[in-house]
Amino acid sequence: GEDVEQSLFLSVREGDSSVINCTYTDSSSTYLYWYKQEPGAGLQLLTYIFSNMDMKQDQRLTVLLNKKDKHLSLRIADTQTGDSAIYFCAERKTGANNLFFGTGTRLTVIP
Amino acid sequence: EADIYQTPRYLVIGTGKKITLECSQTMGHDKMYWYQQDPGMELHLIHYSYGVNSTEKGDLSSESTVSRIRTEHFPLTLESARPSHTSQYLCASTSSSGANVLTFGAGSRLTVL
Repeated sequence: GEDVEQSLFLSVREGDSSVINCTYTDSSSTYLYWYKQEPGAGLQLLTYIFSNMDMKQDQRLTVLLNKKDKHLSLRIADTQTGDSAIYFCAERKTGANNLFFGTGTRLTVIP
Repeated sequence: EADIYQTPRYLVIGTGKKITLECSQTMGHDKMYWYQQDPGMELHLIHYSYGVNSTEKGDLSSESTVSRIRTEHFPLTLESARPSHTSQYLCASTSSSGANVLTFGAGSRLTVL
């Protein structure tokens, strides 16, 4: 497909793990990113992964990259109410200097 | 702490008015971008600049215009605002090196009545 795709909504209970999935478009994209947007705010970079990596872990965040399937996921361990936000994946396509964003996944954490 | 600033954060204005959304960054980034964000969350690139006196239109057609006279400043102008321009406008910047991580401003929410 031509669009970066994400599920629109995800609800999890506090303390559980959240997994947000993304399918991107360009198998030769060099970098893939996860951004978080809280209500009324801009986008904040959470993490990014270079395309030659399969996994990246940063505290409660784990990013998995499957280049063959063009699939990116973000796992948040021990999800907290403060994690409630919209999460965007983005890719930097080959030869492009801007990022292409997914539709965003609204994560709701239930106390 | 954000190093990219957008003003105004919120603007409610009548149809036909001229508006300018300001965006300034203090990081010395050469590349700057304007995204329009739908109420349904999706972001669309409307303008970008790779340096002073360089501006290009993005993927989504927009009636707005931009200018880049100084590295740190990338204002967006609507000559005659219409209700269809009601949206959230996000400014971002990045350097040319490394992972090209975009740093975003807090956004300007425009409502045209």
